[in-house]
Amino acid sequence: DQQVKQNSPSLSVQEGRISILNCDYTNSMFDYFLWYKKYPAEGPTFLISISSIKDKNEDGRFTVFLNKSAKHLSLHIVPSQPGDSAVYFCAASGGAGGTSYGKLTFGQGTILTVHP
Amino acid sequence: DTEVTQTPKHLVMGMTNKKSLKCEQHMGHRAMYWYKQKAKKPPELMFVYSYEKLSINESVPSRFSPECPNSSLLNLHLHALQPEDSALYLCASSRLLAGSSYNEQFFGPGTRLTVL
Repeated sequence: DQQVKQNSPSLSVQEGRISILNCDYTNSMFDYFLWYKKYPAEGPTFLISISSIKDKNEDGRFTVFLNKSAKHLSLHIVPSQPGDSAVYFCAASGGAGGTSYGKLTFGQGTILTVHP
Repeated sequence: DTEVTQTPKHLVMGMTNKKSLKCEQHMGHRAMYWYKQKAKKPPELMFVYSYEKLSINESVPSRFSPECPNSSLLNLHLHALQPEDSALYLCASSRLLAGSSYNEQFFGPGTRLTVL
């Protein structure tokens, strides 16, 4: 039962253009969403997050959009740079308290390649 | 200091060996996590410690034994592992906000474990 899904295994973008990474979730108890970036043989690096009370959060070149009714979020990177090439994971948490507390549910990841 | 450190970086062990993975953070975080990540897969939660007490065990086999000696340290003791346990083992930490699922986890670089 995959509660967080990233349906695009890979994305290729030209340097300077916009990269859009998508994520869908099924569990309506999720109320906090995060994006992580991961290089091979390294730990994931936290990028940006959004709570369910917002529909947009921006940090420099990174913007996350949340559509609660569609249970969909997206990460926009503008402008894309070759150094952004990595695996991007969407993650969700929710159901504060009880056994779900502290648990992040990750999507399968999307490999982003930014060409010079 | 916003770093989570893990030692060793690489570990090769036989199926009869006993070894330990170590994780340390000095961000004052009171939640610490162990994840296992196989190639091309998302991180998979193993254990969560909250205030130095085990709060989540995701049905992990007993050949993996976690320990949290104090609020900065987390260990994972390994014994009688199988070749299929070979993976990247990631440690993470986060703040603990009562009644909140706002859970930005910060990851260490991981230990690459190979079981022969």
